[in-house]
Amino acid sequence: DGGITQSPKYLFRKEGQNVTLSCEQNLNHDAMYWYRQDPGQGLRLIYYSQIVNDFQKGDIAEGYSVSREKKESFPLTVTSAQKNPTAFYLCASRVTGDTEAFFGQGTRLTVV
Amino acid sequence: ELKVEQNPLFLSMQEGKNYTIYCNYSTTSDRLYWYRQDPGKSLESLFVLLSNGAVKQEGRLMASLDTKARLSTLHITAAVHDLSATYFCAVASRSGSARQLTFGSGTQLTVLP
Repeated sequence: DGGITQSPKYLFRKEGQNVTLSCEQNLNHDAMYWYRQDPGQGLRLIYYSQIVNDFQKGDIAEGYSVSREKKESFPLTVTSAQKNPTAFYLCASRVTGDTEAFFGQGTRLTVV
Repeated sequence: ELKVEQNPLFLSMQEGKNYTIYCNYSTTSDRLYWYRQDPGKSLESLFVLLSNGAVKQEGRLMASLDTKARLSTLHITAAVHDLSATYFCAVASRSGSARQLTFGSGTQLTVLP
């Protein structure tokens, strides 16, 4: 079945650590996105990528980094520079153009 | 910068009643999407509205788009408990050659028996 897979579902990070969240899709979508959601809030765009080896900062990119070496994969690294990383992270993909974005199941990151 | 505002943010309604959720946006766009999110879960696509005057219906939900007014509505007819969830609208915009989706803050809907 085609879809978007995020892993892990739950992740705990110690202060000062970098952690990487995985996002893989087999939908053959060109565009991929990372969003952050805080409790009771909407989604805020962290990074997005329209094609392999190219990505752009979203509204809240500070403290995060991404790569897009393969069409299927768009991992997000939460660095130690991100001072308040506890949140629900959602990865999405879409065919470039007018289609809707499809979301993975999310990763809940908690700083301990 | 594109701003997307939803209202109300919280909505409690009795089963069987009708209500409308509003989504206003600040810059020109003719691409709008509605999503549903259950607690602790991901987002599920409900509707894709791609032109002025577009209307889509699925069960008790109907969405419409007025690009001139920069307004979309999500109308709920004869609400049932299963519709309890948070509903988001998202508006597509261009940044250079890329299309982004900007989300509203969401409307948390609770349908009471």
